Amino acid sequence: DAGITQSPRHKVTETGTPVTLRCHQTENHRYMYWYRQDPGHGLRLIHYSYGVKDTDKGEVSDGYSVSRSKTEDFLLTLESATSSQTSVYFCAISRDRAQVAFGSGTRLTVV
Amino acid sequence: EDKVVQSPLSLVVHEGDTVTLNCSYEVTNFRSLLWYKQEKKAPTFLFMLTSSGIEKKSGRLSSILDKKELFSILNITATQTGDSAVYLCAVANTGNQFYFGTGTSLTVIP
Repeated sequence: DAGITQSPRHKVTETGTPVTLRCHQTENHRYMYWYRQDPGHGLRLIHYSYGVKDTDKGEVSDGYSVSRSKTEDFLLTLESATSSQTSVYFCAISRDRAQVAFGSGTRLTVV
Repeated sequence: EDKVVQSPLSLVVHEGDTVTLNCSYEVTNFRSLLWYKQEKKAPTFLFMLTSSGIEKKSGRLSSILDKKELFSILNITATQTGDSAVYLCAVANTGNQFYFGTGTSLTVIP
């Protein structure tokens, strides 16, 4: 998966608890992204980063925050998980003017 | 609002058939259009198109972009059961953001 590792692969959590998903890359790519994928909605961008400490919101950022303290790591945090955040989360990376490559995904269930 | 629309939503064909998948887009500061194949895991890259009218080809798959009419097609000839997947279209802007369509689910019946 293009040197991208997501952890955990699966997680079940309770409503109201904080959750952090981790994405680690070994490609030294500048751009990193978090997407969620839901039936009928396709892949929707949550947040993205264009460098260390440089992040921006995507189209569905409410309820999510991110941090990028190192080039290789991009963390996605759900401050207080809700059932509507049950989804498959994909991390992706890209270098300038290239395609985006995806990690294997994290399946998150909020009960 | 930037958007990518794919059609049809789903398609069922028999092995050996030829299929055409469609992708139209409205994205500010367009840079490139990409096609991905997604089986029961992460999407995998197929093609990237940046210029109108130039066909990209890989085996039985081919794709072309029309930047004037803002659409692309993905053709698959002589389909096989291994082609069954969701095909995703994405558009990248000059800010390196990628916008995805909802995908076309292709099922190839033996």
